[in-house]
Amino acid sequence: QQQVRQSPQSLTVWEGETAILNCSYEDSTFDYFPWYHQFPGESPALLIAIRPVSNKKEDGRFTIFFNKREKKFSLHIADSQPGDSATYFCAAFYGNEKITFGAGTKLTIKP
Amino acid sequence: NSKVIQTPRYLVKGQGQKAKMRCIPEKGHPVVFWYQQNKNNEFKFLINFQNQEVLQQIDMTEKRFSAECPSNSPCSLEIQSSEAGDSALYLCASSPWTVGEQYFGPGTRLTVL
Repeated sequence: QQQVRQSPQSLTVWEGETAILNCSYEDSTFDYFPWYHQFPGESPALLIAIRPVSNKKEDGRFTIFFNKREKKFSLHIADSQPGDSATYFCAAFYGNEKITFGAGTKLTIKP
Repeated sequence: NSKVIQTPRYLVKGQGQKAKMRCIPEKGHPVVFWYQQNKNNEFKFLINFQNQEVLQQIDMTEKRFSAECPSNSPCSLEIQSSEAGDSALYLCASSPWTVGEQYFGPGTRLTVL
Protein backbone atom coordinates (compact mmCIF):
# COMPACT_ATOMS: atom_id res chain seq x y z
CA GLN A 1 0.00 0.00 0.00
CA GLN A 2 2.80 2.40 0.84
CA GLN A 3 5.01 1.42 -2.09
CA VAL A 4 6.25 3.85 -4.69
CA ARG A 5 7.29 2.28 -7.98
CA GLN A 6 9.99 4.04 -9.95
CA SER A 7 11.08 3.44 -13.53
CA PRO A 8 13.27 3.00 -15.40
CA GLN A 9 16.00 1.58 -13.20
CA SER A 10 18.57 3.21 -15.43
CA LEU A 11 18.34 5.74 -18.26
CA THR A 12 20.85 7.10 -20.74
CA VAL A 13 20.12 10.14 -22.85
CA TRP A 14 22.23 12.41 -25.02
CA GLU A 15 23.19 15.89 -23.91
CA GLY A 16 20.45 18.34 -24.84
CA GLU A 17 17.65 15.76 -24.83
CA THR A 18 14.84 15.57 -22.27
CA ALA A 19 15.16 12.83 -19.67
CA ILE A 20 11.88 11.46 -18.29
CA LEU A 21 11.74 9.58 -14.99
CA ASN A 22 8.52 8.00 -13.77
CA CYS A 23 6.91 7.09 -10.47
CA SER A 24 3.55 5.68 -9.42
CA TYR A 25 1.91 5.08 -6.07
CA GLU A 26 -1.15 3.39 -4.63
CA ASP A 27 -1.92 5.12 -1.35
CA SER A 28 -4.20 8.05 -2.14
CA THR A 29 -3.50 9.69 1.21
CA PHE A 30 0.02 10.73 0.13
CA ASP A 31 0.10 14.49 -0.16
CA TYR A 32 3.66 15.49 -0.95
CA PHE A 33 5.83 14.17 -3.76
CA PRO A 34 9.49 15.22 -3.87
CA TRP A 35 12.33 14.27 -6.15
CA TYR A 36 15.87 13.98 -4.84
CA HIS A 37 19.12 13.56 -6.69
CA GLN A 38 22.19 11.87 -5.34
CA PHE A 39 25.66 12.13 -6.82
CA PRO A 40 28.19 9.35 -6.16
CA GLY A 41 29.66 9.61 -2.69
CA GLU A 42 27.21 12.30 -1.63
CA SER A 43 23.95 12.37 0.29
CA PRO A 44 20.60 13.00 -1.42
CA ALA A 45 19.50 16.56 -2.05
CA LEU A 46 15.98 17.83 -2.59
CA LEU A 47 15.53 18.84 -6.22
CA ILE A 48 11.87 19.74 -6.65
CA ALA A 49 8.54 18.74 -5.11
CA ILE A 50 4.80 18.97 -5.77
CA ARG A 51 1.54 18.71 -3.84
CA PRO A 52 -1.61 17.17 -5.37
CA VAL A 53 -3.34 20.54 -5.67
CA SER A 54 -1.14 21.16 -8.72
CA ASN A 55 -0.55 19.03 -11.80
CA LYS A 56 2.69 20.72 -12.81
CA LYS A 57 5.65 22.30 -11.05
CA GLU A 58 8.59 23.88 -12.83
CA ASP A 59 12.00 24.95 -11.59
CA GLY A 60 14.34 25.89 -14.37
CA ARG A 61 15.04 22.82 -16.47
CA PHE A 62 13.23 20.52 -14.04
CA THR A 63 9.47 19.90 -14.26
CA ILE A 64 7.21 17.57 -12.32
CA PHE A 65 4.03 16.39 -14.02
CA PHE A 66 1.45 15.00 -11.62
CA ASN A 67 -1.62 12.90 -12.50
CA LYS A 68 -3.76 12.45 -9.40
CA ARG A 69 -6.36 10.27 -11.11
CA GLU A 70 -3.77 7.77 -12.34
CA LYS A 71 -1.56 8.17 -9.25
CA LYS A 72 1.50 8.89 -11.33
CA PHE A 73 4.11 11.60 -11.36
CA SER A 74 7.16 12.16 -13.48
CA LEU A 75 10.28 14.28 -13.54
CA HIS A 76 11.29 15.85 -16.85
CA ILE A 77 14.80 17.21 -17.18
CA ALA A 78 15.01 19.43 -20.23
CA ASP A 79 18.23 20.18 -22.09
CA SER A 80 20.06 17.47 -20.14
CA GLN A 81 23.65 18.21 -19.19
CA PRO A 82 26.44 15.79 -18.27
CA GLY A 83 26.40 17.33 -14.79
CA ASP A 84 22.85 16.01 -14.36
CA SER A 85 24.21 12.46 -14.29
CA ALA A 86 23.19 11.09 -10.89
CA THR A 87 20.73 8.76 -9.24
CA TYR A 88 17.26 10.26 -8.88
CA PHE A 89 14.77 9.18 -6.25
CA CYS A 90 11.08 9.96 -6.09
CA ALA A 91 9.28 9.80 -2.77
CA ALA A 92 5.80 10.09 -1.32
CA PHE A 93 4.81 11.50 2.05
CA TYR A 94 1.73 11.78 4.16
CA GLY A 95 2.66 14.30 6.78
CA ASN A 96 5.76 13.10 8.58
CA GLU A 97 4.21 9.73 9.39
CA LYS A 98 4.05 7.86 6.08
CA ILE A 99 7.21 8.09 4.04
CA THR A 100 8.35 5.92 1.17
CA PHE A 101 11.06 6.27 -1.45
CA GLY A 102 11.30 4.81 -4.93
CA ALA A 103 14.16 2.46 -5.82
CA GLY A 104 15.98 5.11 -7.82
CA THR A 105 16.82 5.79 -11.47
CA LYS A 106 20.45 6.00 -12.44
CA LEU A 107 20.60 8.72 -15.08
CA THR A 108 23.56 9.05 -17.42
CA ILE A 109 23.87 11.97 -19.80
CA LYS A 110 26.18 11.33 -22.72
CA PRO A 111 28.00 14.35 -24.17
CA ASN B 1 23.39 23.46 1.17
CA SER B 2 22.47 21.16 4.05
CA LYS B 3 23.85 21.96 7.47
CA VAL B 4 23.01 18.61 9.02
CA ILE B 5 26.05 17.19 10.79
CA GLN B 6 26.59 13.47 11.17
CA THR B 7 29.37 11.73 13.07
CA PRO B 8 31.30 9.61 12.60
CA ARG B 9 31.51 9.48 8.83
CA TYR B 10 32.77 5.90 8.94
CA LEU B 11 32.18 3.21 11.55
CA VAL B 12 33.55 -0.33 11.61
CA LYS B 13 32.19 -2.88 14.07
CA GLY B 14 32.32 -6.59 14.66
CA GLN B 15 29.18 -8.68 14.72
CA GLY B 16 27.44 -8.38 18.06
CA GLN B 17 29.02 -5.05 18.88
CA LYS B 18 27.11 -1.85 19.52
CA ALA B 19 27.23 0.80 16.83
CA LYS B 20 26.29 4.36 17.65
CA MET B 21 26.02 7.32 15.33
CA ARG B 22 25.01 10.90 15.94
CA CYS B 23 23.22 13.67 14.11
CA ILE B 24 22.89 17.38 14.71
CA PRO B 25 19.94 18.72 12.72
CA GLU B 26 19.88 22.12 11.11
CA LYS B 27 19.15 24.85 13.60
CA GLY B 28 15.44 25.43 13.90
CA HIS B 29 14.42 22.12 12.34
CA PRO B 30 12.12 20.27 14.75
CA VAL B 31 11.76 17.08 12.72
CA VAL B 32 14.56 14.52 12.37
CA PHE B 33 14.58 11.36 10.26
CA TRP B 34 16.88 8.35 10.10
CA TYR B 35 17.18 6.26 6.97
CA GLN B 36 19.24 3.26 5.97
CA GLN B 37 20.57 3.20 2.40
CA ASN B 38 21.93 -0.19 1.34
CA LYS B 39 24.54 -1.03 -1.27
CA ASN B 40 21.82 -1.11 -3.94
CA ASN B 41 20.96 2.52 -3.06
CA GLU B 42 17.58 1.49 -1.68
CA PHE B 43 16.20 3.68 1.09
CA LYS B 44 14.60 2.30 4.22
CA PHE B 45 12.91 4.68 6.62
CA LEU B 46 13.85 3.80 10.21
CA ILE B 47 12.44 6.37 12.60
CA ASN B 48 11.56 10.02 12.90
CA PHE B 49 11.17 12.50 15.71
CA GLN B 50 9.38 15.76 16.20
CA ASN B 51 10.70 17.79 19.10
CA GLN B 52 12.21 14.78 20.84
CA GLU B 53 9.04 12.66 20.46
CA VAL B 54 8.98 9.59 18.22
CA LEU B 55 6.52 10.05 15.36
CA GLN B 56 6.95 6.76 13.56
CA GLN B 57 9.33 3.84 13.55
CA ILE B 58 9.52 0.52 11.75
CA ASP B 59 9.63 -2.87 13.45
CA MET B 60 13.36 -3.30 12.86
CA THR B 61 14.03 -0.12 14.73
CA GLU B 62 11.86 -1.18 17.62
CA LYS B 63 13.71 -4.44 18.18
CA ARG B 64 17.46 -3.92 17.74
CA PHE B 65 17.81 -0.25 17.16
CA SER B 66 17.42 2.51 19.68
CA ALA B 67 17.22 6.18 18.88
CA GLU B 68 16.69 9.39 20.72
CA CYS B 69 16.66 13.10 20.07
CA PRO B 70 17.14 14.86 23.43
CA SER B 71 16.82 18.60 23.64
CA ASN B 72 20.12 20.47 23.48
CA SER B 73 22.03 17.32 22.53
CA PRO B 74 22.73 15.49 19.27
CA CYS B 75 20.23 12.93 18.08
CA SER B 76 21.56 9.38 18.06
CA LEU B 77 20.88 6.04 16.48
CA GLU B 78 22.36 2.94 18.09
CA ILE B 79 22.35 -0.64 16.95
CA GLN B 80 22.47 -2.80 20.06
CA SER B 81 23.99 -5.89 18.44
CA SER B 82 25.34 -5.30 14.96
CA GLU B 83 24.74 -7.85 12.21
CA ALA B 84 26.42 -8.13 8.80
CA GLY B 85 23.16 -7.06 7.16
CA ASP B 86 23.32 -3.75 9.00
CA SER B 87 26.26 -2.63 6.84
CA ALA B 88 24.90 0.41 5.03
CA LEU B 89 24.91 4.19 4.83
CA TYR B 90 22.84 5.69 7.63
CA LEU B 91 21.40 9.03 6.68
CA CYS B 92 19.99 11.61 9.01
CA ALA B 93 17.72 14.30 7.63
CA SER B 94 16.07 17.26 9.27
CA SER B 95 13.03 19.22 8.27
CA PRO B 96 11.49 22.56 9.13
CA TRP B 97 7.78 22.73 9.89
CA THR B 98 7.11 22.41 6.15
CA VAL B 99 6.16 18.79 5.68
CA GLY B 100 8.39 16.81 3.37
CA GLU B 101 11.17 19.33 2.94
CA GLN B 102 14.10 17.25 4.15
CA TYR B 103 17.77 18.11 4.23
CA PHE B 104 20.18 15.22 4.47
CA GLY B 105 23.47 14.98 6.30
CA PRO B 106 26.54 13.33 4.74
CA GLY B 107 25.74 10.00 6.36
CA THR B 108 27.56 7.47 8.51
CA ARG B 109 28.85 4.48 6.59
CA LEU B 110 28.68 1.44 8.85
CA THR B 111 30.62 -1.70 8.04
CA VAL B 112 29.95 -4.77 10.16
CA LEU B 113 32.71 -7.34 9.79
